[in-house]
Amino acid sequence: KNQVEQSPQSLIILEGKNCTLQCNYTVSPFSNLRWYKQDTGRGPVSLTIMTFSENTKSNGRYTATLDADTKQSSLHITASQLSDSASYICVVRYSIKNSGGSNYKLTFGKGTLLTVNP
Amino acid sequence: NAGVTQTPKFRILKIGQSMTLQCAQDMNHNYMYWYRQDPGMGLKLIYYSVGAGITDKGEVPNGYNVSRSTTEDFPLRLELAAPSQTSVYFCASSYDASTYEQYFGPGTRLTVT
Repeated sequence: KNQVEQSPQSLIILEGKNCTLQCNYTVSPFSNLRWYKQDTGRGPVSLTIMTFSENTKSNGRYTATLDADTKQSSLHITASQLSDSASYICVVRYSIKNSGGSNYKLTFGKGTLLTVNP
Repeated sequence: NAGVTQTPKFRILKIGQSMTLQCAQDMNHNYMYWYRQDPGMGLKLIYYSVGAGITDKGEVPNGYNVSRSTTEDFPLRLELAAPSQTSVYFCASSYDASTYEQYFGPGTRLTVT
């Protein structure tokens, strides 16, 4: 079954500290993996996308890694700020074959709720 | 450029009532999607559209209907609302399916009592 598991479910850290969020997936065949940030009461916003050939990608204080062999990704947040408080969602895209050729589907993780305290 | 807009922001429905959740985007995106997000759960795809006049079911389409008469608008219709449809509904759009970055609206929080 194509699944995306995120850990921890929730995390509380102090402002200025670093943290790492995990995403493990079983989807196959893998196409890409995207991390979204969802502020409370808002829709998700894309942070970064990882393709099969990419190991690491940074977006400011956010660094995502991907190990396609072990089917794991992580999102590292450096020098956290209060504005980093949000839910972080891992989304994996995979291909499926049908009579018309290939199609793609997404599987969303449940997210990690990060709280950054002053 | 407003991106993806949704109305209303909040709504309370009685069991059996019907309503339409509105979604519009001004980015000229071909692909549009409706998701529901239940507490502690990942987003689930209800319906999607790859262009005007073309719609298809997602994972959880039962109890919902959609139409796509224009590129900009993608309304979601709830017929005979049930408590199980209490959720937060997100509309999203994307330019294509290859990079699959989706732009999400702010959501509609629906309660059915």
